[in-house]
Formats: sequence, C-alpha cells, structure tokens
Amino acid sequence: TQLLEQSPQFLSIQEGENLTVYCNSSSVFSSLQWYRQEPGEGPVLLVTVVTGGEVKKLKRLTFQFGDARKDSSLHITAAQTGDTGLYLCAGATSGGGADGLTFGKGTHLIIQP
Amino acid sequence: NAGVMQNPRHLVRRRGQEARLRCSPMKGHSHVYWYRQLPEEGLKFMVYLQKENIIDESGMPKERFSAEFPKEGPSILRIQQVVRGDSAAYFCASSPRGRRPDTQYFGPGTRLTVL
Repeated sequence: TQLLEQSPQFLSIQEGENLTVYCNSSSVFSSLQWYRQEPGEGPVLLVTVVTGGEVKKLKRLTFQFGDARKDSSLHITAAQTGDTGLYLCAGATSGGGADGLTFGKGTHLIIQP
Repeated sequence: NAGVMQNPRHLVRRRGQEARLRCSPMKGHSHVYWYRQLPEEGLKFMVYLQKENIIDESGMPKERFSAEFPKEGPSILRIQQVVRGDSAAYFCASSPRGRRPDTQYFGPGTRLTVL
C-alpha cells in the first residue's frame, strides 16, 4: 500500500512569512501533483512534477520533486491571506496497480493578516 | 472551456435508498476517475473508467457500489441501499489520456448525506 505523508498537518503563520510543506513516501512515483482545495469545493491543480530533482515555480510557489521521486516540497514565499487553504499532494504510480492517484491527507494552511 | 461537472452538488438520502452521482468530464477527456473523501480523511481512489469500460475498480467497495461510463452521457456512480457510513464527498476527475504520467482535473464534488 502506497502512502503519502504530509507535514505539517496544520500551519498558521503571519502574512509575509515564508513556509515549506512536505510530502513524503517510501514509494516511488512516476509523477506527483499538488492541489489546493477550498471548503466545499474540489481540488484545483497547481502543478505536476515528473522528473526527479525537478523544480517548478508558480509565482510565489516553488515545487520540488525529490531526486528519488519519493518526496516533494512546496515552498511559499511572502505568504498572503489568499494562500489560505488545504494543500494536497498526490502521486501517480508507474507500472501495474491502480491508475488512481494516491493522496496525502493534506496541510491546512492559514495565513493571518 | 467548461471544467469537470458534477451533479447534484448535494444529495440527501435515507438509509436503504439509492444514490446516483453524475460526472461529465472536461471536453476532450475520455478517462474518468472517482474518489471519496471522508471527513478528516484524504481522498481515496475508487474506480477508473474509460468509455464503456471499467479499467480499475480496486478501490471500490465490493458490495452496493457500481460505476459506469456509457458511450453517450455522463459517468454514473451508483450506491445502492445507502448506509450512514456512505456519507462523504464524492469527487470525479478526468484526464485526456489516462496514461502515466498524467494530470487529473477534479470536479466540485457531490456531498452525500445519509440520514
């Protein structure tokens, strides 16, 4: 059974601060996706990383895929109140098994003004 | 370009009734995935379908749950004789190819409440 552990589970910081959330597994994934989910809504895709060591930037968000494709991180620079939400990582497996994504439980992020 | 559409957004059923959840994938997408999100839990994969075919149903409960994606019309997730434990948010996602690596786009979900 593949598991994705996200940390921290909850994070509350002041506007303007930087933060990093982590997504770790003992399994190798062919790709990893980060989503953001608002209450009562579906997950919205932020980024897909595919290559080990890959770094992608989306404005103030920086995503990194571990060299071994077992872990990933999301770094937010100068957080804004609009960044508040649930951040989910999800891995796709290579070869056999389910084609569905394996999700972590998410990081609940609150940015205080 | 419309995204993934799901209806109804909210569904209330009494124990023993049937629940039908519908999903229309994004235009040009022929692969559909269903996930369930229980309170305080992450999303769990249920089933992966292509038109008229179930590709992987390893995450589906063995009884009472079924899914289809007909040649015409939306994908349907059907839950028979619902129980309180079926109360959850059910999300549908679609992708254009279904081959790994691939990106799945999610709908807004159906919140099922079983009384």
